[in-house]
Amino acid sequence: QKEVEQNSGPLSVPEGAIASLNCTYSDRGSQSFFWYRQYSGKSPELIMFIYSNGDKEDGRFTAQLNKASQYVSLLIRDSQPSDSATYLCAVKTGNQFYFGTGTSLTVIP
Amino acid sequence: DAGVIQSPRHEVTEMGQEVTLRCKPISGHNSLFWYRQTMMRGLELLIYFNNNVPIDDSGMPEDRFSAKMPNASFSTLKIQPSEPRDSAVYFCASRPSSGSTYNEQFFGPGTRLTVL
Repeated sequence: QKEVEQNSGPLSVPEGAIASLNCTYSDRGSQSFFWYRQYSGKSPELIMFIYSNGDKEDGRFTAQLNKASQYVSLLIRDSQPSDSATYLCAVKTGNQFYFGTGTSLTVIP
Repeated sequence: DAGVIQSPRHEVTEMGQEVTLRCKPISGHNSLFWYRQTMMRGLELLIYFNNNVPIDDSGMPEDRFSAKMPNASFSTLKIQPSEPRDSAVYFCASRPSSGSTYNEQFFGPGTRLTVL
């Protein structure tokens, strides 16, 4: 079983809608959870991260953690075409970072 | 700051040749990571250094891969001999030891390696 699992998609949503991205992780001892955005041909860039003690909202982005189900989600409100990218979920366990394979999101104008 | 610098940006080589990828982390960052990204396997951690010391190289595929960090501002990833299955994008990332961005890894632009 992989440390971090994501649905590869592709996920398509209309402009203005809410995009919901999810990942599951295997190690209950994981302490921090990250969402990276990667545009085609570019390097990953951090959108936001949360610790195991709570959710976080930053502008149109909300990261949520369900520790019982070992499940992390990223909600993007008022989706824009510029949000079209691959979203990578990453989990920090100890000093190790484990990345999912990413979910491709397309926002349709 | 220029960010993480990687060179070359693209490398095309023939099977059996030695390949050396280079990385300059952000000044002041004390952790450095080498990743490989493919469509099939996603982003895989190969090795990471803390204060120039290799901490975990369990992700290095095999003995053909080696990495060094001779000082705080430079690291290399070497593949010898290279094989077609090594074709991927190789990312270097660095992370500070403290501060508000402690948990963030800053990625370089990557090196796209093609082994023919």
